[in-house]
Amino acid sequence: AQTVTQSQPEMSVQEAETVTLSCTYDTSESDYYLFWYKQPPSRQMILVIRQEAYKQQNATENRFSVNFQKAAKSFSLKISDSQLGDAAMYFCAYRRGGAGSYQLTFGKGTKLSVIP
Amino acid sequence: NAGVTQTPKFQVLKTGQSMTLQCAQDMNHNSMYWYRQDPGMGLRLIYYSASEGTTDKGEVPNGYNVSRLNKREFSLRLESAAPSQTSVYFCASCLLGQGYEQYFGPGTRLTVT
Repeated sequence: AQTVTQSQPEMSVQEAETVTLSCTYDTSESDYYLFWYKQPPSRQMILVIRQEAYKQQNATENRFSVNFQKAAKSFSLKISDSQLGDAAMYFCAYRRGGAGSYQLTFGKGTKLSVIP
Repeated sequence: NAGVTQTPKFQVLKTGQSMTLQCAQDMNHNSMYWYRQDPGMGLRLIYYSASEGTTDKGEVPNGYNVSRLNKREFSLRLESAAPSQTSVYFCASCLLGQGYEQYFGPGTRLTVT
């Protein structure tokens, strides 16, 4: 079974600074997808970024980027120029590849605080 | 588009009572999912429906039943609620295909006393 581990229950960052959230996963599959979801206090789950395992290039979305190390099974999220609105729980998630209906396996989350 | 909607947003039940959580999506997605979120546990899959007419168990199905009423709607039923089912419940949907992300509803906070 796949597992996703987020080793940092809580992190904090100064506004305008950069922070990196860690995620490791365990799988025997070669085709899979990785996601970072943000959950602000409103409780809504919001997709931040997605990475396809077959792509060597790291995904970026504006101030959000990932460092995907397939051999090490590591998928960290870097947030640049942190803003107050970035304060939230962040969940790393794994989905096996293929066209079927496959569940997401989530890590336990990292609570990010942004200090003004 | 409303996306994924869930009703109710909050609910308090007594032990042994039953209730149904409703979920609907207007994005023409094939697959729908029910997750529960507990403190310190992330989200765990209860049941899912790959397409209209099919349902399958996820990681934590005990104590729940589901119905895929049509392509839009996927309900979750608690037949006899227990305090261990106190949680936040999320419905999600996605298109079948390569790596399509799941879109989540706003969640239902359920308390069983």
